[in-house]
Amino acid sequence: DAGVIQSPRHEVTEMGQEVTLRCKPISGHNSLFWYRQTMMRGLELLIYFNNNVPIDDSGMPEDRFSAKMPNASFSTLKIQPSEPRDSAVYFCASSRFPGQPQHFGDGTRLSIL
Amino acid sequence: KQEVTQIPAALSVPEGENLVLNCSFTDSAIYNLQWFRQDPGKGLTSLLLIQSSQREQTSGRLNASLDKSSGRSTLYIAASQPGDSATYLCAVRQESAGNQFYFGTGTSLTVIP
Repeated sequence: DAGVIQSPRHEVTEMGQEVTLRCKPISGHNSLFWYRQTMMRGLELLIYFNNNVPIDDSGMPEDRFSAKMPNASFSTLKIQPSEPRDSAVYFCASSRFPGQPQHFGDGTRLSIL
Repeated sequence: KQEVTQIPAALSVPEGENLVLNCSFTDSAIYNLQWFRQDPGKGLTSLLLIQSSQREQTSGRLNASLDKSSGRSTLYIAASQPGDSATYLCAVRQESAGNQFYFGTGTSLTVIP
């Protein structure tokens, strides 16, 4: 079975640009999670969806961040405009249900110059 | 707000040794606790998930215990191998509106051949 697929693996862009990160969850998984990992703050949950509906977005740092899940097999995390402090590794994870084990993608390493 | 702490931050042991990793959390109102490993440049791999009603879970050489009332979990690794070298993270899912997830900062384990 294919795992959680994230793209791109690496993204380097200049501040002020729009950044879009993509995620394909494991087929049949109803819950999808976006995380950000930095050395300073560790792993933080940004937002999660259940059955394509955002359940908790309290971890989204500010209005520059937005996430969508238009269908069960695709989600995006968008940053507009991007800033250097957004540099981090962004992970997507999915699980069958919120209480089940989460399966992580390999992450997108984002560098904002 | 829930705080998850992992001690030690780093651990180095010779191959073959049994070892224990610790995770503590401040709010015992959790739904479950999950242990992950993270290899450099990779996402997280789920190792064990313990529901709040359970005391322990076992998978191969790994055994995770949960003492919800005291806010503690341990991950026991028997007969450690160099391939066990990775960062180990624990995460709790809150038993509250939104069911937030909180991660510890991890223990970096090195098993010396």
